[in-house]
Amino acid sequence: EPEVTQTPSHQVTQMGQEVILRCVPISNHLYFYWYRQILGQKVEFLVSFYNNEISEKSEIFDDQFSVERPDGSNFTLKIRSTKLEDSAMYFCASRRTGFADTQYFGPGTRLTVL
Amino acid sequence: ELKVEQNPLFLSMQEGKNYTIYCNYSTTSDRLYWYRQDPGKSLESLFVLLSNGAVKQEGRLMASLDTKARLSTLHITAAVHDLSATYFCAVDGEDSNYQLIWGAGTKLIIKP
Repeated sequence: EPEVTQTPSHQVTQMGQEVILRCVPISNHLYFYWYRQILGQKVEFLVSFYNNEISEKSEIFDDQFSVERPDGSNFTLKIRSTKLEDSAMYFCASRRTGFADTQYFGPGTRLTVL
Repeated sequence: ELKVEQNPLFLSMQEGKNYTIYCNYSTTSDRLYWYRQDPGKSLESLFVLLSNGAVKQEGRLMASLDTKARLSTLHITAAVHDLSATYFCAVDGEDSNYQLIWGAGTKLIIKP
């Protein structure tokens, strides 16, 4: 069964460093999302991506964040200058269509900023 | 502001008992999703409810949707330890790309 994959599973970085989180969505899916979950808290939407551009972003997704789909398969989230409060689990999700369709989540990347 | 509220946030119960988790939402959406999350793991889709009156069942879990009341329920029948997890409900956002808006989650612990 197709699945969303994410790498790395755990990333430890120093405050102020740049990190890139990688995702490979399910191949025939058209809508891509990044969410984050601070430990023990609710899931928060960061950004949605469709047709090679950002379609919606939340207040969390400020100028230090960016997303790219550099080729036909990868979907990346870059955090330019990490802060302590960026420590969280980051989930990538994909969806075949935009309407009434299940979002499938990757296993997540645990980001720890020291 | 879109809100999704779950209750209870924490539930400890004995095996064999029945219980219900409630999810209230403030949008006019008629689509609601239930996910399960085990500790340190990803989010697993359980149910997709697409219309008023929708009911879906999988094993000991049954989910329903009342769009008029903006309420969904997740009912657990004769709970077993393996159902211990955190359960989230979510609704589609109101923009055209339907990001999910999440409830806070219900942490369910089922004791033998």
